[in-house]
Amino acid sequence: AQKVTQAQTEISVVEKEDVTLDCVYETRDTTYYLFWYKQPPSGELVFLIRRNSFDEQNEISGRYSWNFQKSTSSFNFTITASQVVDSAVYFCALSGLTGGGNKLTFGTGTQLKVEL
Amino acid sequence: NAGVTQTPKFQVLKTGQSMTLQCAQDMNHEYMSWYRQDPGMGLRLIHYSVGAGITDQGEVPNGYNVSRSTTEDFPLRLLSAAPSQTSVYFCASSYSAAASGNTIYFGEGSWLTVV
Repeated sequence: AQKVTQAQTEISVVEKEDVTLDCVYETRDTTYYLFWYKQPPSGELVFLIRRNSFDEQNEISGRYSWNFQKSTSSFNFTITASQVVDSAVYFCALSGLTGGGNKLTFGTGTQLKVEL
Repeated sequence: NAGVTQTPKFQVLKTGQSMTLQCAQDMNHEYMSWYRQDPGMGLRLIHYSVGAGITDQGEVPNGYNVSRSTTEDFPLRLLSAAPSQTSVYFCASSYSAAASGNTIYFGEGSWLTVV
């Protein structure tokens, strides 16, 4: 079965601090995809990134960066110089053939609070 | 480009009432699905469709019905609402199956309370 674990339920930081959100996954698939979504207080789900299991290059997009390590089954997300607008719930998700291939398996989310 | 549109955004139902959550997408996506989000549990798949006329159950299908008569629309029906169905519901669509890695686009969510 597929599983995604986001052990950090809630993180509070002060603006301009760096923060890393952890994501650990389990799957028997050799080909799979990992995603991060942001859910701001308004409630919608915003796609942030997709990474396939064969691409272990880290990715940077502005203040956001992602570290994918197959050896530890982790796909961590770092926000550099956090801002109040980064306050949201962040979900890590996994897709693969296990379970029929038609769903995303989500973690339980990490609530990030960025304060002034 | 509207993307994935869900209605209503908020709804309060009494136990035993029925209702339909509407979902429409304008991206010509074959794959559509419904998830529910509950506190501390992430999102879980209710039902999905791989094309018009084809639907199947997800992880938590009990109490819900779906149909897919057109590519654009994928309504979710609650036949007899129960308090356990109080949740936030998200409709999603993608070009193909989640396992193919296509980006899955979500609607803005529908907040349902059953009293």
